[in-house]
Amino acid sequence: QSVLTQPPSASGTPGQRVTISCSGSSSNIGSNTVNWYQQLPGTAPKLLIYSNNQRPSGVPDRFSGSKSGTSASLAISGLQSEDEADYYCAAWDDSLNASYVFGTGTKVTVL
Amino acid sequence: QVQLQESGPGLVKPSETLSLTCTVSGGSISSYYWSWIRQPAGKGLEWIGRIYTSGSTNYNPSLKSRVTMSVDTSKNQFSLKLSSVTAADTAVYYCARDLGGLAFDYWGQGTLVTVSS
Repeated sequence: QSVLTQPPSASGTPGQRVTISCSGSSSNIGSNTVNWYQQLPGTAPKLLIYSNNQRPSGVPDRFSGSKSGTSASLAISGLQSEDEADYYCAAWDDSLNASYVFGTGTKVTVL
Repeated sequence: QVQLQESGPGLVKPSETLSLTCTVSGGSISSYYWSWIRQPAGKGLEWIGRIYTSGSTNYNPSLKSRVTMSVDTSKNQFSLKLSSVTAADTAVYYCARDLGGLAFDYWGQGTLVTVSS
């Protein structure tokens, strides 16, 4: 059971803005940076956002990340059909059983 | 362009040890952390652990008693061993490079390991 909670699904029409939330606690998001991954069907995950709001080279600026307190968000603006994928947040958790944890995942559907 | 490739048996019997190797090409394995992540069919991602090129490791506490990771810098490879496997260990196993802060910027394509007799 993941300690980072995401909504199971999100959707939008092409061109819309979609936001995905990631809720954690003081031991993970509250004290560490957040990374976001995109997983297209049948493929390995791809790093989308690192250190809360940094985009790796090649990731469109339609994708943006933010963090506030014990929550983080991924926003996709100008939604495109190729954005239909699963999205995962992730962060280090400093609790007694310290580990890197992934969120529960959000399936984004482009209507 | 850095590329990672997992290799190892696709079928492992219950109670035996799962062994996988990740070969890194297009760049040096040195001076990076390297992780293993797995994903059961239709489910989310689980971090198994990581190894630095010095051999230093961190493991997921939920798997720590069964996991061993090693690195061979001369072959640009790192490996995973997971002992006493059960059906619950059936998953696609990925290897990945840590850009820093456990941000995985390069991933292998993944390899399906099925635990079954």
